[in-house]
Amino acid sequence: QKEVEQNSGPLSVPEGAIASLNCTYSDRGSQSFFWYRQYSGKSPELIMSIYSNGDKEDGRFTAQLNKASQYVSLLIRDSQPSDSATYLCAVTVPGGSYIPTFGRGTSLIVHP
Amino acid sequence: DTEVTQTPKHLVMGMTNKKSLKCEQHMGHRAMYWYKQKAKKPPELMFVYSYEKLSINESVPSRFSPECPNSSLLNLHLHALQPEDSALYLCASSPTGLPNYEQYFGPGTRLTVT
Repeated sequence: QKEVEQNSGPLSVPEGAIASLNCTYSDRGSQSFFWYRQYSGKSPELIMSIYSNGDKEDGRFTAQLNKASQYVSLLIRDSQPSDSATYLCAVTVPGGSYIPTFGRGTSLIVHP
Repeated sequence: DTEVTQTPKHLVMGMTNKKSLKCEQHMGHRAMYWYKQKAKKPPELMFVYSYEKLSINESVPSRFSPECPNSSLLNLHLHALQPEDSALYLCASSPTGLPNYEQYFGPGTRLTVT
């Protein structure tokens, strides 16, 4: 059973702070890891993908992957109210369809 | 261009109606997906087409019928739906080369069944 776990939140942070979003997964063979941002009533938008251990930075976003501990995280620096959304973690495993399995998402609220 | 388009944006239909949702992408992706998403839930996979062939059907009721006329188009035909089928229907596409299975979602169709 593939499982991707996220704290549903809401995670509330002040504007300008670092928001840290976490995701754990159960299948040690997981290969690809994605973070999607979804505003209320809108569709998911891919913001980060990561495939190997370590950090990957893109602007204010940093994805961190630790395969030994089976977690992937997303850091948002200098958080803005416009970052308020639900963040979905998705994970693919080989040997099957490679269809991403989504976590339930973490709601982030950035307050001014 | 990472755009997936979907029409219509909103659809209200009765339980006896027949309607279709349409999805289009021009990124050369060879995998296309239909998802259903209810409020405050993650997307739920319905169908996957790979190289225009149905590869995954997640035990979806037969009142939903997918069709992939060509590599750029994906349709979802709806017939005799139930009120509980009201949801946001999302189309997505992805390249099929490992390890890149990034999915790009369309804006969705908000479906209400009355």
